[in-house]
Amino acid sequence: GENVEQHPSTLSVQEGDSAVIKCTYSDSASNYFPWYKQELGKGPQLIIDIRSNVGEKKDQRIAVTLNKTAKHFSLHITETQPEDSAVYFCAASTQSNSGYALNFGKGTSLLVTP
Amino acid sequence: KAGVTQTPRYLIKTRGQQVTLSCSPISGHRSVSWYQQTPGQGLQFLFEYFSETQRNKGNFPGRFSGRQFSNSRSEMNVSTLELGDSALYLCASQPSNYGYTFGSGTRLTVV
Repeated sequence: GENVEQHPSTLSVQEGDSAVIKCTYSDSASNYFPWYKQELGKGPQLIIDIRSNVGEKKDQRIAVTLNKTAKHFSLHITETQPEDSAVYFCAASTQSNSGYALNFGKGTSLLVTP
Repeated sequence: KAGVTQTPRYLIKTRGQQVTLSCSPISGHRSVSWYQQTPGQGLQFLFEYFSETQRNKGNFPGRFSGRQFSNSRSEMNVSTLELGDSALYLCASQPSNYGYTFGSGTRLTVV
């Protein structure tokens, strides 16, 4: 089955700096790569996703890049703010008309210090 | 617009008992998925229901089961609880093939 590796497990940055989280996946059939943010006591929240026919996607301060050949994808957060502090999860899946199941990385705990 | 609602938020059960968790998806969402989250194993897929049918299933023992009703609400059941079943159980709903919206989860503690 699909195996998703996520690094680093913890990341501490100063407010205003950039943060980068990297993930690799094993199944070349994977075609959908979402990123989730989970705050304490809450469920994961989708922040951005990318499909395999796209190499990069941006949404304000957040961007995701995908390298299908190398089977890795990354989350970039620019101009970090204290409210960005949370656990971030990457995931990979094969989407079809029969739905999909997400295979998650182990998560990255991001701390943004003022 | 109401989000995904999971009840109860917290639950304490004894080994050997069974438990039923409930999930109400966002109105109009026909797909409901369940995930187990633990510190050791992370987020793991349990199953997905669409139009009252189980469409996908993860690698969990048969003690874990679920169902979906005609109004898209879903329940999951765990029988013969073990200590290792202690986890945060998350339900997510989605419209067609767009991203999930997760609920806040049910925290199950087995003692």
